[in-house]
Amino acid sequence: EVQLVESGGGLVQAGGSLRLSCAASGFTVSSNYMSWVRQAPGKGLEWVSVIYSGGSTNYADSVKGRFTTSRDNSKNTLYLQMNSLRAEDTALYYCARVLHYYDRSGYYYSWFDPWGQGTLVTVSS
Amino acid sequence: SYVLTQPPSVSVAPGQTARITCGVNNIGSKGVHWYQQKPGQAPVLVVYDDSDRPSGIPERFSGSNSGNTATLTISRVEAGDEADYYCQVWDSRSDHFYVFGTGTKVTVL
Repeated sequence: EVQLVESGGGLVQAGGSLRLSCAASGFTVSSNYMSWVRQAPGKGLEWVSVIYSGGSTNYADSVKGRFTTSRDNSKNTLYLQMNSLRAEDTALYYCARVLHYYDRSGYYYSWFDPWGQGTLVTVSS
Repeated sequence: SYVLTQPPSVSVAPGQTARITCGVNNIGSKGVHWYQQKPGQAPVLVVYDDSDRPSGIPERFSGSNSGNTATLTISRVEAGDEADYYCQVWDSRSDHFYVFGTGTKVTVL
């Protein structure tokens, strides 16, 4: 069964750091694209980052320069290192596998499946 | 970045059909994906590539996409379909490569 389990969330002061983990089972993290998506309390979904199978990464402008996504292939685990945290980073953080393909015309399609259960990050100001 | 606009809420009686729209200019040129999120749970993919269903998702869930509007249709609505629903596209021109809709709360009367 394909499964993702996040951990590492908690309460941190503004300006502090936190590292989230996402342990995968049923598939190989390094062979897939993986993402972090967050959801502020009572709000919608916001994409945070993606790490490609080759190891390169992309980030939303709102976290660029502060967050770093990485993986440990030996542990089949994804990470999100969050530095210089702000009150607006308070959210439930989900990891998700990214599925994707290019069609015959070269258009790119990409979506998330499955998702983990999430880990809550609270930044106090 | 741009916004995928969804109605905040849709109410539907059991057994009827719920339609949830997701709009932005020329969304028909993109692949649209839909997620269901029940209270206290993680999102679950219910439709991908405009109209395909993952295994395990009932045929009652269907999607379409044309012009400026994509639509998720839930036929023969059940009480268990009550949830928030989000559309999503990928767009490299956005500051968020992955753009989510504003979300729609479906209430089963």
